Amino acid sequence: GENVEQHPSTLSVQEGDSAVIKCTYSDSASNYFPWYKQELGKGPQLIIDIRSNVGEKKDQRIAVTLNKTAKHFSLHITETQPEDSAVYFCAASFGGYQKVTFGTGTKLQVIP
Amino acid sequence: SAVISQKPSRDICQRGTSLTIQCQVDSQVTMMFWYRQQPGQSLTLIATANQGSEATYESGFVIDKFPISRPNLTFSTLTVSNMSPEDSSIYLCSVEDRSPGLETQYFGPGTRLLVL
Repeated sequence: GENVEQHPSTLSVQEGDSAVIKCTYSDSASNYFPWYKQELGKGPQLIIDIRSNVGEKKDQRIAVTLNKTAKHFSLHITETQPEDSAVYFCAASFGGYQKVTFGTGTKLQVIP
Repeated sequence: SAVISQKPSRDICQRGTSLTIQCQVDSQVTMMFWYRQQPGQSLTLIATANQGSEATYESGFVIDKFPISRPNLTFSTLTVSNMSPEDSSIYLCSVEDRSPGLETQYFGPGTRLLVL
């Protein structure tokens, strides 16, 4: 089955700096890569996703890149703000709503 | 996106007892999913629940321990049976969105379970 690795496990950045989280996956059939943000005491919230027919997608301060050849994808957050502090999970699946395999999570702390 | 609610939001239970968690979604969906998130860990899929058929369980999870009901297209329940402290986790309901080109999963707020 699919295996998703995520790095780093913790990340501290100064407010205004950029944050990058990287993930690799094992199943070449995976074609959908969502990113979820989980704040304390809440369920995971979908923040951005990318499908294998594109290499990069951007939504305001958040961007995701995908390299299918290398089987890795990354989340980039620019101009970080304290409210970006949360645990971020990458994931991979085939088909989008099918079985989704999650990475181990990155705890991001943005220091004011 | 679908609006998902779960009940209870949290509970403290004694070992050996059972707890049923409810998941309600504001639109009809074919597939609903139940995940477990142990403290400080990632999400692990327990089972997939389709309306009108038996749930499909992932490796390591069995129906006797985690029976699931799916009586209609907007509701599902997960029961955690004969609980032990190792069952202390967040249990999350998720639903599929099959909008063409936008297929994804959305999560409910979770049920925080502590077993003493």
